[in-house]
Amino acid sequence: NAGVMQNPRHLVRRRGQEARLRCSPMKGHSHVYWYRQLPEEGLKFMVYLQKENIIDESGMPKERFSAEFPKEGPSILRIQQVVRGDSAAYFCASSPKSPGQGSGNTIYFGEGSWLTVV
Amino acid sequence: AQTVTQSQPEMSVQEAETVTLSCTYDTSENNYYLFWYKQPPSRQMILVIRQEAYKQQNATENRFSVNFQKAAKSFSLKISDSQLGDTAMYFCASVTSGTYKYIFGTGTRLKVLA
Repeated sequence: NAGVMQNPRHLVRRRGQEARLRCSPMKGHSHVYWYRQLPEEGLKFMVYLQKENIIDESGMPKERFSAEFPKEGPSILRIQQVVRGDSAAYFCASSPKSPGQGSGNTIYFGEGSWLTVV
Repeated sequence: AQTVTQSQPEMSVQEAETVTLSCTYDTSENNYYLFWYKQPPSRQMILVIRQEAYKQQNATENRFSVNFQKAAKSFSLKISDSQLGDTAMYFCASVTSGTYKYIFGTGTRLKVLA
């Protein structure tokens, strides 16, 4: 029973390039969340998606960042024109139900994707 | 706004001893969940233990237990019989029931000494 799968685990990009991070939720999970962990900090919420819908992107920077969760395939977090301040760990999490539907608010994290901008 | 505070940036404990990690939180909600996550050097986020705020009984998972003091808004993690594999960053987190925005503390780095 595979957990949340993220790839790549490590990604190095030069300033100005694009970064694409992929997340396949656990089997049976249709709710995906992205969190960012800056160095020496806790995780911070970025965006919540269901299949083909962005539910809440209030934690995501308005510029250069976008997320999608298509009907088929993994969820993608895309960062355009990366800057050094984007260097962080990006964690994806999933849940089988939306919060409040009896899942107990527990979400399951992947192993993270570590972006380094040089 | 919800906040989670971990006031111990680093701690160490001898193997086989007991250690307690502190966490305080602030929320105006009545129904919420509290979590402790472990982040080992591999940097994966691993759920250690979960507590529902409406339950008075403290959660326990093998060597891990919590001391949940709702009135004081305190949620400490006790690790008994510490093992070298417990060396990791430990994050406390809270989420309001029915919502999805986990609020994380800044973490406590625990080192278990042989």
